[in-house]
Amino acid sequence: GENVEQHPSTLSVQEGDSAVIKCTYSDSASNYFPWYKQELGKRPQLIIDIRSNVGEKKDQRIAVTLNKTAKHFSLHITETQPEDSAVYFCAASKGGSYIPTFGRGTSLIVHP
Amino acid sequence: GAGVSQSPSNKVTEKGKDVELRCDPISGHTALYWYRQSLGQGLEFLIYFQGNSAPDKSGLPSDRFSAERTGGSVSTLTIQRTQQEDSAVYLCASSLAAGGSYNEQFFGPGTRLTVL
Repeated sequence: GENVEQHPSTLSVQEGDSAVIKCTYSDSASNYFPWYKQELGKRPQLIIDIRSNVGEKKDQRIAVTLNKTAKHFSLHITETQPEDSAVYFCAASKGGSYIPTFGRGTSLIVHP
Repeated sequence: GAGVSQSPSNKVTEKGKDVELRCDPISGHTALYWYRQSLGQGLEFLIYFQGNSAPDKSGLPSDRFSAERTGGSVSTLTIQRTQQEDSAVYLCASSLAAGGSYNEQFFGPGTRLTVL
């Protein structure tokens, strides 16, 4: 089955810095890669996703890149703000009815 | 429209008792997932329902755990003879029909289970 590794487990940055979270996956058939943000005590919510037919996707301060050859994808947050502090989960899926496999999460702390 | 709802939000029980956790998915979503999240940990997959197909139970940690989904909508996760290690937040998620599309999962607020 699919295996998703996520690094780092904890990331501490100063407000205004950039943050990068990296994930690798094992199943070359995976073609959908969502990222979820979970604030303390809240439910996970989708913040951005990428499909295997593109290499990069941006949404304001957030971007995701995908390298299918190397089987890794990354989340980039620029100009971080304290409200970006949360746990971020990556996932990989073959889409459709396949169950997504989640990474173990990265706790991002943005210091004001 | 209404999102995914779960009840109860908190449940405290004694070791050895049975508990039932409920999930109401978004109307029209045929896929439903249960996850367990222990303190500071990731999302542990438990069980998956898709339409009228047999559920994927591959994530259930023991035979004390079971789930059903009635009428393709509401789901109940049952834990029998609870143990202290069952203490966690149980999250439910739903998504639109499969069939090759890429489907965002919408999560419920979770049920925090504490086994004393």
